[in-house]
Amino acid sequence: GEDVEQSLFLSVREGDSSVINCTYTDSSSTYLYWYKQEPGAGLQLLTYIFSNMDMKQDQRLTVLLNKKDKHLSLRIADTQTGDSAIYFCAESPVGRRALTFGSGTRLQVQP
Amino acid sequence: EAGVAQSPRYKIIEKRQSVAFWCNPISGHATLYWYQQILGQGPKLLIQFQNNGVVDDSQLPKDRFSAERLKGVDSTLKIQPAKLEDSAVYLCASSFRGEDNSPLHFGNGTRLTVT
Repeated sequence: GEDVEQSLFLSVREGDSSVINCTYTDSSSTYLYWYKQEPGAGLQLLTYIFSNMDMKQDQRLTVLLNKKDKHLSLRIADTQTGDSAIYFCAESPVGRRALTFGSGTRLQVQP
Repeated sequence: EAGVAQSPRYKIIEKRQSVAFWCNPISGHATLYWYQQILGQGPKLLIQFQNNGVVDDSQLPKDRFSAERLKGVDSTLKIQPAKLEDSAVYLCASSFRGEDNSPLHFGNGTRLTVT
């Protein structure tokens, strides 16, 4: 079955790096996504990675994928207070098309 | 480009009442999704449309929830009658093709409180 798991909470100091982890169970997922949700808003797509890639970098964001362990991580370099939000990872299993989301990781950035 | 529009932003109703939510997807997006997000949880898919046809409604509680997308553009989601456990944010999303590499774009959601 499909189950995406994330840790609930992460607190970092401004300027540090943040690493948010995710595990998924469906090995057929061809794309894996990271979304950001700020209070009272919908989900904003941050980045995504194709399953045949190990790493993708996009400015301050680095996504690492370990397909063998079904582990996905999002690293945010030089974390800013504006990065405080809930971060969701999501998978798109083959044949399902719609995304399956984790429960989200709340990132708190302290000044 | 204009984003996904949803209305209303907030709705408070009593249990057993009815409620409807409206969504206008990004122009040209063939696929439309309704998700339910209960406080503290990730979004859960309720229904997915491709143009005006239903692709997946396996997790839609059909005894009380209904959705339509008559002309393949706007969509409405209805709950009748509402229960306390329906309190959640209802998110609409759209994507260009509904395939793996076609990202979902979300609206800001409708926050429903059932008392």
